[in-house]
Amino acid sequence: QQPVQSPQAVILREGEDAVINCSSSKALYSVHWYRQKHGEAPVFLMILLKGGEQKGHEKISASFNEKKQQSSLYLTASQLSYSGTYFCGTEEAGTYKYIFGTGTRLKVLA
Amino acid sequence: DTEVTQTPKHLVMGMTNKKSLKCEQHMGHRAMYWYKQKAKKPPELMFVYSYEKLSINESVPSRFSPECPNSSLLNLHLHALQPEDSALYLCASSPNPGDTQYFGPGTRLTVL
Repeated sequence: QQPVQSPQAVILREGEDAVINCSSSKALYSVHWYRQKHGEAPVFLMILLKGGEQKGHEKISASFNEKKQQSSLYLTASQLSYSGTYFCGTEEAGTYKYIFGTGTRLKVLA
Repeated sequence: DTEVTQTPKHLVMGMTNKKSLKCEQHMGHRAMYWYKQKAKKPPELMFVYSYEKLSINESVPSRFSPECPNSSLLNLHLHALQPEDSALYLCASSPNPGDTQYFGPGTRLTVL
């Protein structure tokens, strides 16, 4: 079962904030976040491990609620360079089978 | 060397051709992956090779066959492909299975 992301797409003005959610029907051990620009490979943003931790990377941070099997990615003061498709990714426990979420297309306008 | 390289960048082949995609990493990573990505869709895992063991997504057709000659190299052999196999093929590696994955630039494959 593929993790479901919401929203499917979002348009922002430079400087605005956004939240992208990732929800799974299966127990998660960890959640990874990636950004993919058009025609390029996905680029790793951050990993969150079991324990409800929250991580930050400049103006991008994320949280992981293992009880709800949900993760959220927070983009603050968005920049043009944030445009792209964001994917959450997770591994089915003990299988090596890695699954990406449905994706969220984000566009930041000047 | 901190990158994953893939060759070729673009490939056009007929349905009767046999071709191979190559993926290489020199980061000492112990897991390597092949993904297929169609336009506006997330990458779909095809194969994982870790600790000298191959794990296969059961839905992948036999016309795709992976080969791991050594721990730094992962090939994907293509034979008798169909037009619907046209996609971006991404290779990735991670220090261990389940760790952060680092992606190569991909091979854009077109099957005529």
